[in-house]
Parts: sequence; structure tokens; C-alpha cells
Amino acid sequence: EDQVTQSPEALRLQEGESSSLNCSYTVSGLRGLFWYRQDPGKGPEFLFTLYSAGEEKEKERLKATLTKKESFLHITAPKPEDSATYLCAVQAYGDDKIIFGKGTRLHILP
Amino acid sequence: DSGVTQTPKHLITATGQRVTLRCSPRSGDLSVYWYQQSLDQGLQFLIQYYNGEERAKGNILERFSAQQFPDLHSELNLSSLELGDSALYFCASSVGYRDQPQHFGDGTRLSIL
Repeated sequence: EDQVTQSPEALRLQEGESSSLNCSYTVSGLRGLFWYRQDPGKGPEFLFTLYSAGEEKEKERLKATLTKKESFLHITAPKPEDSATYLCAVQAYGDDKIIFGKGTRLHILP
Repeated sequence: DSGVTQTPKHLITATGQRVTLRCSPRSGDLSVYWYQQSLDQGLQFLIQYYNGEERAKGNILERFSAQQFPDLHSELNLSSLELGDSALYFCASSVGYRDQPQHFGDGTRLSIL
């Protein structure tokens, strides 16, 4: 069964303290892996799509990387406005549905 | 602003009732997805339509149904409501149906009393 597991469930960092969020996945064949950011009371906001192992994408203080079993979202020198829940999702070949992880709640303290 | 519009924002109703949630996708997007988000389950995929046709089905209950109309807006119908159906319901849209980033609306919060 296709599965996505995110860790940690919650993370508190001081402003400027870099860290990484993990997304482990099990799919029969990965078509794409997606990262989203969700603020309270809002819908998820698309960040990145990764397609193959070794691929990296960057946006401001965020960098997403992909291996054959997991993806990391690296946050460099975070600011309080980076506080949100970060969701990882996968889509497998032969199946159009998207499977989401439960997310990591990130809180950046000023 | 994602460009995806969901109405209503909040809905309060009683057990056994039926409700309809509405979604207007971003201009140009042909795919519409419906998700249920609860605190313990996270974001659960329900169903996807592409250009009016059902493309994929997730863990959607038989009491729930959806459709996509010729103008591409979509409706999710929930009937015989139970307390456990209380959740946030999100609609998302994308241009195609594979490898496509999805753009989410801000959801409808459904409360069953």
C-alpha cells in the first residue's frame, strides 16, 4: 500500500536556526513528490514538485531534495513567517490520486 | 489568492441532513479534486474529475457523491450526515491530471451537531 510518513510531527526552532523536515514514502513507482505549505484556516499552498532521485529545488529559504525513499525540506535561517504546517504528497504511476502525509507543524520563535 | 473559490466557508447542520459544497476552479484548470481534512486523519483524497469525467477515486463514502459541470465547477454532495463527517473539505484544481501541482481553495468547514 502506498504510504507517506512525515517527521517530526512538530518542530520549534529559534529564528535563524536551520533544520530539515523529513518525508518518507513507499510507492510502487513514483510519478511525482510534492511539498505544500499550509497556514491555519487556509488551503495548502504549492511549493515544489520533485520527479527523480537526486533532484533539488529551491525557493527563498527552502530547499527540497529527493532520494529513492525519502525527501527532505531544508529550511535555512528561518524567520517567524516561515511558521506553518508543511505537507508532503506523492503520486504513483498507474494511479492518479495523490497521497498526503500528516504534515510537520513548524514554529519559528523570534 | 490561489484562484480557487469554495462556498460556503462554514456550514452547520444536523445529523441525517444533506449538504452541497461548491467549488470553482482556477481559470484554465480542467481537473478538480476534493479532499477531507480532519485533525487525526490529515488530508484525505476523496475524488478527482477531469473535464467533466471522473478520473480517480479515493476513500469516498457511498453517502458522498460529486460531479463536475460543463462550466468546470464542481459540487460535492454529502448525505445522511454523521457526527464523524465534521471536517474541513478542500477543493483543488490543476491544469491536467498527472504530475501537476494542485492549487487549493480555503475550504468549507462543516460542523455536524
